[in-house]
Amino acid sequence: DIQLTQSPSTLSASVGDTVIISCRASQNIGTWLAWYQQKPGKAPKLLIYKASGLESGVPSRFSGSGSGTEFSLTISSLQPDDFATYYCQQYNSYSSFGGGTKVEIK
Amino acid sequence: EVQLLESGGGLVQPGGSLKLSCAASGFTFSSYSMSWVRQAPGKGLEWVSGISGSGGLTSYADSVKGRFSTSRDNSKNMLFLEMNNLRAEDTAKYFCAKDGGPLLVGASNYWGQGTLVAVSS
Repeated sequence: DIQLTQSPSTLSASVGDTVIISCRASQNIGTWLAWYQQKPGKAPKLLIYKASGLESGVPSRFSGSGSGTEFSLTISSLQPDDFATYYCQQYNSYSSFGGGTKVEIK
Repeated sequence: EVQLLESGGGLVQPGGSLKLSCAASGFTFSSYSMSWVRQAPGKGLEWVSGISGSGGLTSYADSVKGRFSTSRDNSKNMLFLEMNNLRAEDTAKYFCAKDGGPLLVGASNYWGQGTLVAVSS
């Protein structure tokens, strides 16, 4: 099974900040990685697919990078609507999710 | 507009069974793989199962393998998750999700609102 380790688990930031969330895979997954945003009581929302592909309708301040075992999600100029929990997901071998990163207001 | 509507959740005793359904609309159902993802109260997301667009391929997380079974009826645009020998740790909100293509598992670009399953005596 492929394990995904996200860091940090919690991140405190202010509106306008640039934040970076990391996701490390336990083995090479190529670029078969997605990022999701989830708000309390809501379903997850796809932000990034195939490591760096921006899902339609998602603001361009969200970007993804990486390949192999190291990946990151960058949110440039954090907006009030961006405070949420973020998950990475691999779909190279079946699927699995990272533990999540909560982005909270500083 | 893509819509996914889960149903069938509820309270069940340990060792019991439950069958979840997901009604899909707004897209060519048979062209896309589908996934089940769950979230225990206050916890993160856990991938449960995937099924290819044709229904010919399925995959499961180790935590449910041998107890859960995923199927689909492409003629009725329905996805199912049959859950047997349920355990307390299966308590969660179960989401169905549409993947981005026909392969077995992919990034999920549409999600239902979920149905709650509680396993307790």
